[in-house]
Amino acid sequence: GAGVSQSPRYKVAKRGQDVALRCDPISGHVSLFWYQQALGQGPEFLTYFQNEAQLDKSGLPSDRFFAERPEGSVSTLKIQRTQQEDSAVYLCASSLVGLDFSGANVLTFGAGSRLTVL
Amino acid sequence: AQSVAQPEDQVNVAEGNPLTVKCTYSVSGNPYLFWYVQYPNRGLQFLLKYITGDNLVKGSYGFEAEFNKSQTSFHLKKPSALVSDSALYFCAVSLRGGYQKVTFGTGTKLQVIP
Repeated sequence: GAGVSQSPRYKVAKRGQDVALRCDPISGHVSLFWYQQALGQGPEFLTYFQNEAQLDKSGLPSDRFFAERPEGSVSTLKIQRTQQEDSAVYLCASSLVGLDFSGANVLTFGAGSRLTVL
Repeated sequence: AQSVAQPEDQVNVAEGNPLTVKCTYSVSGNPYLFWYVQYPNRGLQFLLKYITGDNLVKGSYGFEAEFNKSQTSFHLKKPSALVSDSALYFCAVSLRGGYQKVTFGTGTKLQVIP
């Protein structure tokens, strides 16, 4: 597609529910990132994929957070047993080449999925 | 660990005046530096980046930024602000060499007053 697509754009969950957020990166983009952006804050790194390999998951805040990209294209971020502190905008970004080549690659972001946990 | 500081939560400037949005960084190595802009209900959009070479980097929409290694700064500038420049601006840093994640600052809201 022309850009990075994320769905749903808005999600309201009751505390304790599981949620799944989808990211459709630009076709052919090797690198895919998930970021969490709390209200009034900058994006905080969650995890990084190069194709289907999850190379860095150091930013995932707890074992309730899980991300996958099984075929190296679409990615899903899953949050189990949601808590109020999980309320945030979850941003997905992709980049054409893998960061093995250069940390200077430009990221293309999706519009984000806003999660509200009641 | 790498980090970015944006000391101003908000910057107000009159339309037509020059604008500066400040950014300082901390890394243990040579950085790559970026500016991204975020409009309401939109994803972050790339403005410009510094890789190497000329310390003055020119980007989209007339924005530029100056890399200052001694002051570890990468301030965003524009000679003449437009009302349409009003948005949230994020500075970001990455390290050179292999896989390096991109770390963002907390953002600065730019308000251009007509």
